[in-house]
Amino acid sequence: EVQLVESGGGLVQPGESLKVSCAASGFTFSSYEMHWVRQAPGMGLEWVSYINTGGSTIDYADSVQGRFTISRDNARNSLYLQMNSLRVEDTAVYYCARLLAYCASECYQVLDYWGQGTLVTVSS
Amino acid sequence: QSALTQPRSVSGSPGQSVTISCTGTSSDVGGYKYVSWYQHHPGKAPKLMIYDVSKRPSGVPDRFSGSKSGNTASLTISGLQTEDEADYYCSSFAGSFSWVFGGGTKLTVL
Repeated sequence: EVQLVESGGGLVQPGESLKVSCAASGFTFSSYEMHWVRQAPGMGLEWVSYINTGGSTIDYADSVQGRFTISRDNARNSLYLQMNSLRVEDTAVYYCARLLAYCASECYQVLDYWGQGTLVTVSS
Repeated sequence: QSALTQPRSVSGSPGQSVTISCTGTSSDVGGYKYVSWYQHHPGKAPKLMIYDVSKRPSGVPDRFSGSKSGNTASLTISGLQTEDEADYYCSSFAGSFSWVFGGGTKLTVL
């Protein structure tokens, strides 16, 4: 069974840092590209960041570019998001999601499994 | 403001059908076939219900169907059941490595 379990959320003050993690199990983690998606209170989902299987290709939403760093440790089946210079507007539940992408007779691309999320609250 | 526009709420009685719309632009919904729908019960992991506009993952009832016309995608749930009550989010690939999502629609089964 595919499982993604986020951890590391908590309450921090504006300007501080926090690192959240996502532990993967039930599939070959090193073979899948991964994403972080967040949901602010009462709001919709917002894509945050992407990392390819080897960690060599990375992308960020403009709202977090230069402040957040995505990384992965395939030996530990884990995905990370280092968040620096946190702002009140970064308050959200942070989800990790697996990207299923392949081409057979046609190409497919979907965020097929998600974790339950970890809450990050930025407040003074 | 979310990138994709969904109605905030829809409702229906058991056995009825409801349709949730998701409007984007030619840079996302209208430009790619990678449109997905998720069912989300607060506190739980979002569950994939529809991908590639209209495909259902294994285990998702055929009461759930998806379609797209131009920049608007739609999720239809027929034969509503009480357990369908949840928040529903649409998603679309937006180019490069990014995805955009809707603001979510709360489905109430009366």
